[in-house]
Amino acid sequence: EDQVTQSPEALRLQEGESSSLNCSYTVSGLRGLFWYRQDPGKGPEFLFTLYSAGEEKEKERLKATLTKKESFLHITAPKPEDSATYLCAVKTSRGNSGNTPLVFGKGTRLSVIA
Amino acid sequence: DGGITQSPKYLFRKEGQNVTLSCEQNLNHDAMYWYRQDPGQGLRLIYYSQIVNDFQKGDIAEGYSVSREKKESFPLTVTSAQKNPTAFYLCASSITGVTDNQPQHFGDGTRLSIL
Repeated sequence: EDQVTQSPEALRLQEGESSSLNCSYTVSGLRGLFWYRQDPGKGPEFLFTLYSAGEEKEKERLKATLTKKESFLHITAPKPEDSATYLCAVKTSRGNSGNTPLVFGKGTRLSVIA
Repeated sequence: DGGITQSPKYLFRKEGQNVTLSCEQNLNHDAMYWYRQDPGQGLRLIYYSQIVNDFQKGDIAEGYSVSREKKESFPLTVTSAQKNPTAFYLCASSITGVTDNQPQHFGDGTRLSIL
């Protein structure tokens, strides 16, 4: 069974204190890994797609990396406006036709304190 | 502005009542999806549709029904058979459907509660 596990469940940082969020996955053939940001009472907002091990993507203070077993979302010098829940999802090649929707992790709730 | 519109934002259901959640997109996306989000849980797939007049069950389809009569619209009905409907419901769409790696884009959700 395809599984996506995010850690930690919650993370509290001081403004400017860099850290990383983890997304580990056990899937039968990874076709893409997606990072989203979700604010309270809102839908997830797409951040990055990673396709193969060694790939990196950056956007402002965020940098996503991918290995064969996990992905990291690095947050450099975070600000209070970075506070949100960060979701990781994978698309796999499981199934005869390869038609598989996304499998989501439970998310990491990030709080950045001024 | 292009995007996904979900309505209503809040919805209340009485015992034995069916309710329908609306999802409309003007992104010209082929595929549309419905997810349920509960506190402390990841998003769980209810139904998805790759093209008009076609849809597939997700992991938790029991007690729900959908239709896809137009490309832009994918309404979700929560029937009285769904015994625990209280949740945050999210609609999403993507360009070429589950066979491709394009990201899904989400609406801002409908929060459903039982009266």
